[in-house]
Order: sequence, then C-alpha cells, then structure tokens
Amino acid sequence: QQQVKQSPQSLIVQKGGISIINCAYENTAFDYFPWYQQFPGKGPALLIAIRPDVSEKKEGRFTISFNKSAKQFSLHIMDSQPGDSATYFCAARSLQGAQKLVFGQGTRLTINP
Amino acid sequence: GAGVSQSPSNKVTEKGKDVELRCDPISGHTALYWYRQSLGQGLEFLIYFQGNSAPDKSGLPSDRFSAERTGGSVSTLTIQRTQQEDSAVYLCASSTPTGLNTGELFFGEGSRLTVL
Repeated sequence: QQQVKQSPQSLIVQKGGISIINCAYENTAFDYFPWYQQFPGKGPALLIAIRPDVSEKKEGRFTISFNKSAKQFSLHIMDSQPGDSATYFCAARSLQGAQKLVFGQGTRLTINP
Repeated sequence: GAGVSQSPSNKVTEKGKDVELRCDPISGHTALYWYRQSLGQGLEFLIYFQGNSAPDKSGLPSDRFSAERTGGSVSTLTIQRTQQEDSAVYLCASSTPTGLNTGELFFGEGSRLTVL
C-alpha cells in the first residue's frame, strides 16, 4: 500500500530553472515530512523537512510548500544547478505510534548545463 | 568512519542460497532501520529496532526475511532461499533518540544484492 505518492518519476530542468517535485499522502496521522536527496552509489541524506503547522519552509535554494487540507507537499529547487542532479524522495511519518518513515517512489532529477 | 557502515557493498548469489547483510550503525544511535530500494520502487520499509523494544517487523515481505540486532548495535539482515525478486539495494539507517522525533535517518551506502 503506497501511502505517499510522488511525481514526476523523472524530471529534466535547464540550469537556472526551477525544479518542482510533488507528493501526496493519505494518512492524516502523518505529522512530519522530510525530503531526502540521493546521489548515485550513496545512501539518501536529509535535505529539508517540514511540520504541518507551517505552510512553507525555505533553506537556501530549497523550499518545501505544504498544503494540509489537500494533503500535498512539494519541493521547489530554485536556480537549479547541475550539482542538484540526484534522486529525490519525499517521506512522511507519524510522531505518535509507528516510528518508521514512509517514502515516495522517488524522482530522478537531471539539470542540464 | 563516523557514518553507517554496511557490508558487503555488493553480493551476487544464486537462487536458493541464503545471504547475510551486515549493518554497523553510528555509535550512540539507538534506532536502526532496514529499507529495500528496488529500481523505480522507492524505499520500502523492512524492519525497525529501537533500543530493547520488540522490533517492528511489519515490512518484512515474507518469512524468508529476518533480522537481528546484537547488543543494541550491529544488525544482520538474513534472506533465506533467495529469489530473483529479492534483487535490490538493501539500505540500513540509524538515528538518535532526538532523531526519532525529527525524522532524520542517517543511511549507509547500501548492499546491492543480485540473485541469479
């Protein structure tokens, strides 16, 4: 059962453009939403995260937008750079009960120079 | 090193053989997770250990899969009678007690399993 749906599966953006990756979740008990970045041959690493009491969180060129009523959240990468080329995973967890992160299917992002 | 260490990094085995994958978490991390990453399938939760509590085995796909964590540190994931559909990258992650509330997992580089 896929509890977090991520799209698109792959994305190509020109250098300097905005990359947007979307996720939707079903479980209203989720209350923590991190994004992970994975380079080839490496494990995923935490990029940025948000809790549903805020609608937006920005760290440098990376922004999470959160829509609690729609149960959707998205990652925006401004001024995308070739070094941002990686696979991005959204995730969700409940801070009560089960402690595991549920991940989306991943988005392979390619930034063309 | 200071990160999560996994071994072997690559394992090729024949269908029907048993395999063991090892994870050495970051020192002091009490929580340990195993995930499976298949091509185009995202990260699939397998099992979670937290301190001395009973592990959450809800993600194990079949009874051929098992895991243990000895002394609250090193963990071994065992796959018995491997099948071709078991081919994937098996990722281990650990977190601190604080991390349990923030969602920050520290992942190893994974063990790539290929079943012929």
